[in-house]
Amino acid sequence: AQSVTQPDIHITVSEGASLELRCNYSYGATPYLFWYVQSPGQGLQLLLKYFSGDTLVQGIKGFEAEFKRSQSSFNLRKPSVHWSDAAEYFCAVAEGYNQGGKLIFGQGTELSVKP
Amino acid sequence: DTGVSQDPRHKITKRGQNVTFRCDPISEHNRLYWYRQTLGQGPEFLTYFQNEAQLEKSRLLSDRFSAERPKGSFSTLEIQRTEQGDSAMYLCASSPLEGQGPNEQFFGPGTRLTVL
Repeated sequence: AQSVTQPDIHITVSEGASLELRCNYSYGATPYLFWYVQSPGQGLQLLLKYFSGDTLVQGIKGFEAEFKRSQSSFNLRKPSVHWSDAAEYFCAVAEGYNQGGKLIFGQGTELSVKP
Repeated sequence: DTGVSQDPRHKITKRGQNVTFRCDPISEHNRLYWYRQTLGQGPEFLTYFQNEAQLEKSRLLSDRFSAERPKGSFSTLEIQRTEQGDSAMYLCASSPLEGQGPNEQFFGPGTRLTVL
């Protein structure tokens, strides 16, 4: 069965420091991978997605993620964190379109930013 | 295009009561998904529609839950005889019918249900 693991429940970084959030997936076919961010009281917002092609994908708000098939990973990175990045981050894998395309989420990583 | 909207944003009810939530997807989005999110967890898939057809239901969707999407536009999720374990955030998302891979799902703000 498909699954997503985010090993870090909570991470704290200093403002201006670099960030890496880990995500490992289990999926038999070609994975469609996503990172979403959820701020308090807000809906889930898509940061970036990987379907195929270049394994380094760029997203909004200065985020990027790298797909590594050999490690079944899709880690999210940002070179310099801003206080407004404090939020909950979710990695997700999607079934293929013909299978319904539903998203399977990890349990999330809460990011705190120290001034 | 005003995005996905959900109503109400918050609902407090007593155990045993019925509740109904509404989701209005982005217009012309063919697919509509319902997810449930409990505290400290990621969203879990409940069900999805393609136009008015409900094509898949999760095992999480017990007989007390029913969802509809009449005319392929808005959708409703009803929970009958609510239990305290139903307390959660209920999220709705929609996506267009295009392309070969799964498309981006656009999420609404959610309906937070508290069952006392």
